[in-house]
Amino acid sequence: EPEVTQTPSHQVTQMGQEVILRCVPISNHLYFYWYRQILGQKVEFLVSFYNNEISEKSEIFDDQFSVERPDGSNFTLKIRSTKLEDSAMYFCASTDSVFNFYEQYFGPGTRLTVT
Amino acid sequence: KNEVEQSPQNLTAQEGEFITINCSYSVGISALHWLQQHPGGGIVSLFMLSSGKKKHGRLIATINIQEKHSSLHITASHPRDSAVYICAVIKLNDMRFGAGTRLTVKP
Repeated sequence: EPEVTQTPSHQVTQMGQEVILRCVPISNHLYFYWYRQILGQKVEFLVSFYNNEISEKSEIFDDQFSVERPDGSNFTLKIRSTKLEDSAMYFCASTDSVFNFYEQYFGPGTRLTVT
Repeated sequence: KNEVEQSPQNLTAQEGEFITINCSYSVGISALHWLQQHPGGGIVSLFMLSSGKKKHGRLIATINIQEKHSSLHITASHPRDSAVYICAVIKLNDMRFGAGTRLTVKP
């Protein structure tokens, strides 16, 4: 069964450093999403991406964040200058249709620890 | 006030019991997701609903758009059902999540 993959599974970085979280969505999917979950808190939407541009972003997704689909398979989330409060689990998801967010497939997540 | 409220926050059941988890929301939505988050953190989409009822195996999800309420039922619960169940509502192009219901099913 096709699945969404994410690398690395765990990233430790120092405050102020840039990190890139990588996702490989399911190959025929067209819509891509990033979510984060701070430990012990609820999942939060960050951004949706379609046709090589951001469709929607939340108030969390400020100028420190950017997303890119650099080739036909990867979908990346970059945090330019990490802060302690960026420590969280980051989930990527993809779907083949945006209508009503038809069945999203989630990756296993990347745990980001900022020290 | 949270846009998505789930109840209960925590639920402990004995194997075989019928489980109900509730979700109420305060905003207009186009659809609602029920998600399952495993102890390891992975998230699986269980249902996407925009009206009525869906059934998959022992899981049943219902939604009442007028009352802004959805329920997730698990019949004949099993210890492997132990997980956090998350309700998420879809507004236009973003998704708002509930805090989750932590279900523990004891053998």
